[in-house]
Amino acid sequence: GAGVSQTPSNKVTEKGKYVELRCDPISGHTALYWYRQSLGQGPEFLIYFQGTGAADDSGLPNDRFFAVRPEGSVSTLKIQRTERGDSAVYLCASSLLSQGAEQYFGPGTRLTVT
Amino acid sequence: AQSVTQPDIHITVSEGASLELRCNYSYGATPYLFWYVQSPGQGLQLLLKYFSGDTLVQGIKGFEAEFKRSQSSFNLRKPSVHWSDAAEYFCAVGASQYNTDKLIFGTGTRLQVFP
Repeated sequence: GAGVSQTPSNKVTEKGKYVELRCDPISGHTALYWYRQSLGQGPEFLIYFQGTGAADDSGLPNDRFFAVRPEGSVSTLKIQRTERGDSAVYLCASSLLSQGAEQYFGPGTRLTVT
Repeated sequence: AQSVTQPDIHITVSEGASLELRCNYSYGATPYLFWYVQSPGQGLQLLLKYFSGDTLVQGIKGFEAEFKRSQSSFNLRKPSVHWSDAAEYFCAVGASQYNTDKLIFGTGTRLQVFP
């Protein structure tokens, strides 16, 4: 079956611009996660959705970052006034809503801010 | 706060040799522990996980890991490495506080395999 998909696969933007990154989870997965992976680092948690609501957004670095999941399926991560330090691979994962369920990761979106 | 330490940034082994990748965690309660593998250009793939019960966990691709509570460790092992195992390996702890199940990852160990 189809896995988690993310678009675009690559995004190059200029400093100060606004970007949107999209995640399509596995059908039927109610939990959705966003992580950010900087070069040479492990993925770092950003935000977790349970259905349509953000159950835990403690990982968002500042108020330039925002994510939505209006219908409980597709999610969009939005970054305003991008900075060079935002350059990273943004990973999305989904899972069935059960404690300790396996998270299935998408291939990621590589964001480069010039 | 929860944390994961992978002491080895880079490991090189010969094909056919045994492998052990180290992972230490810090977590107040009983942890959920995971090992993921990331190949170049690929997404993270789960190798194995530990929730409870038998402390020796079998995974895919011939990998296993052993949970040792007294040492706060969850080391990954494979008896005979194949060239296709060359990749980045990440240990993670499931931080189930508030039932978010967010994963906290280590910085990874890059495995290089020589023929």
